[in-house]
Amino acid sequence: DIQMTQSPSFLSASVGERVTLSCKASQNINKYLDWYQQKLGEAPKLLIYNTNNLHTGIPSRFSGSGSGTDYTLTISSLQPEDVATYFCLQRNSWPGTFGGGTKLELK
Amino acid sequence: EVQLVESGGGLVQPGRSLKLSCAASGFTFSNYGMAWVRQAPTKGLEWVATISYDGSSTYYRDSVKGRFTISRDNAKSTLYLQMDSLRSEDTATYYCARQGYSGLDYWGQGVMVTVSS
Repeated sequence: DIQMTQSPSFLSASVGERVTLSCKASQNINKYLDWYQQKLGEAPKLLIYNTNNLHTGIPSRFSGSGSGTDYTLTISSLQPEDVATYFCLQRNSWPGTFGGGTKLELK
Repeated sequence: EVQLVESGGGLVQPGRSLKLSCAASGFTFSNYGMAWVRQAPTKGLEWVATISYDGSSTYYRDSVKGRFTISRDNAKSTLYLQMDSLRSEDTATYYCARQGYSGLDYWGQGVMVTVSS
């Protein structure tokens, strides 16, 4: 299985700050990389699919980039409602595998 | 509005069986692949199984192969997961999710399965 490693595991940032989360695959995943947001007690919600495509209804402050094995989720200006755990998912090969998550908190 | 509602979870003894259901609405169910994803308490996410739009193709992660069966009834817009020979490590919240071009784009609220004697 492809291993997905997210960093950092925890991140504390201030409202309005630019935030960058990373996800690294153990092999090339051909940009089949999605990002999910999971708030406490809720189901994950798709933010970005295929590296850089914003899902319906997701604010434009979220963006994604990357290629090969290295991918990034950026929040351009952190908002209080962005407090959550963020997971990446590779869908290049079965089984799809998730990263361990980055827990984002407000400073 | 896309809605996915899971049911059928609960407490079950090791070695026993449980069947989860996921009722879909707000979209044409027969046009989409579907998936089950689980999350053990305070742990990450694990993609368990997936089924094609017409049920002709199914895929399972190795740890559940031969024990779990994913199926669907397009006439009832319902997805199922039959779980046999349950183990303690199967304890998790199980989510059903719609699988489209953009990946797992909509998820249900999840149902808890606890395997314990």
